[in-house]
Amino acid sequence: EVQLVESGGGLVKPGGSLRLSCAASGFTFSSYGVNWVRQAPGKGLEWVSSISSTSTYIYYADSVKGRFTISRDNAENSLYLQMSSLRAEDTAVYYCARTYSSSSGYTDLWGQGTLVTVSS
Amino acid sequence: QPVLTQSSSASASLGSSVKLTCTLSSGHSNYIIAWHQQQPGRAPRYLMNLENSGSYSKGGGVPDRFSGSSSGADRYLTISNLQSEDEADYYCETWDGNTQGVFGGGTKLTVL
Repeated sequence: EVQLVESGGGLVKPGGSLRLSCAASGFTFSSYGVNWVRQAPGKGLEWVSSISSTSTYIYYADSVKGRFTISRDNAENSLYLQMSSLRAEDTAVYYCARTYSSSSGYTDLWGQGTLVTVSS
Repeated sequence: QPVLTQSSSASASLGSSVKLTCTLSSGHSNYIIAWHQQQPGRAPRYLMNLENSGSYSKGGGVPDRFSGSSSGADRYLTISNLQSEDEADYYCETWDGNTQGVFGGGTKLTVL
């Protein structure tokens, strides 16, 4: 089955750090770019970050630049998001999302999401 | 950077058709978009990508009732023979020069 499964979400205090993981299966992970997309409670979708298939191209939304780091391990079919200096406004469900190409671009496969709550 | 504009809500009767609109901002009318469906309490699901020509390609398992079309800066998602399970939020997505993803605000579809 083609799927993406996120993990690592939880409750963290403001200023804290958290690392999200995404495990891919059922397709050749190393051939696709991957995005992180988040959704705050009751809000719409917000693109967070993107990484190309070979990690050559990496992009971040202005709202997370300098605080979040995206990475991947193609040998492990895994995607990561290291989040630091977390703020209340980072509270959201974080989705791992495959792009249609090897670089960046629109999403053609979504994970089920993992909830990150930033609160004291 | 492109901006995608969607109506916040729409409604239609069971068994009827509805056409949702996603409008690209000025200067970006030739951009490809993707449509996604998010049923209540669930993750989004990719429906299709849609070119400015009106050509579209659907994701696996997407029913024939879903189709796409384009006119200028407008990208449409048409759902025919509406079913109760079509009640969901619908988002459009595009990319700015492959460096930044952009989502529309979403349309909440109610099936009456």
